[in-house]
Amino acid sequence: KNEVEQSPQNLTAQEGEFITINCSYSVGISALHWLQQHPGGGIVSLFMLSSGKKKHGRLIATINIQEKHSSLHITASHPRDSAVYICAVRYGNKLVFGAGTILRVKS
Amino acid sequence: GAVVSQHPSWVICKSGTSVKIECRSLDFQATTMFWYRQFPKQSLMLMATSNEGSKATYEQGVEKDKFLINHASLTLSTLTVTSAHPEDSSFYICSAPSGGAYQTQYFGPGTRLLVL
Repeated sequence: KNEVEQSPQNLTAQEGEFITINCSYSVGISALHWLQQHPGGGIVSLFMLSSGKKKHGRLIATINIQEKHSSLHITASHPRDSAVYICAVRYGNKLVFGAGTILRVKS
Repeated sequence: GAVVSQHPSWVICKSGTSVKIECRSLDFQATTMFWYRQFPKQSLMLMATSNEGSKATYEQGVEKDKFLINHASLTLSTLTVTSAHPEDSSFYICSAPSGGAYQTQYFGPGTRLLVL
């Protein structure tokens, strides 16, 4: 069974700070997704990674397959980045989700 | 980009009634769709995999007679909560993969169900 652990569970940052959210998983996967869920519930897929690093605007995602670890970084954080960030690993054709990290960015 | 819609976005019903939730892929075809359930302050839990033209695959512990899934076309999957009870109150989300080897998952906006 693939376990997905995220840290931290909760994170409060000041506007402008650099933020890192971590995700570890226990068995080999075909891909890892970073998702963003806003208070209304809608989920947006931010990244899908199978190796290396991806960047989109102020968001950067990295994955280390050997260490079974991924990080999501947010540079120059802004209050509109406040949301729940979820790591999900693709195991076969299914996604297994982490518990999520609740991020609050204060102005 | 690809869009997945869900209808209704929220529903309140009486205990014992059945509720149907629709999930549509608006600009791509999805032979597979996934149904998830999310309780407050918890992450998503996969309920079942909906397969176009065949039976859905349910996760362990999910009652297939309680949560009926029909995937009648390449753009529509429905989840029917039969004889709903208050404990079925939850946030239900569908997703559909697109692209080769499920490159991207597109999520619906979710349906909030409250059973009184």
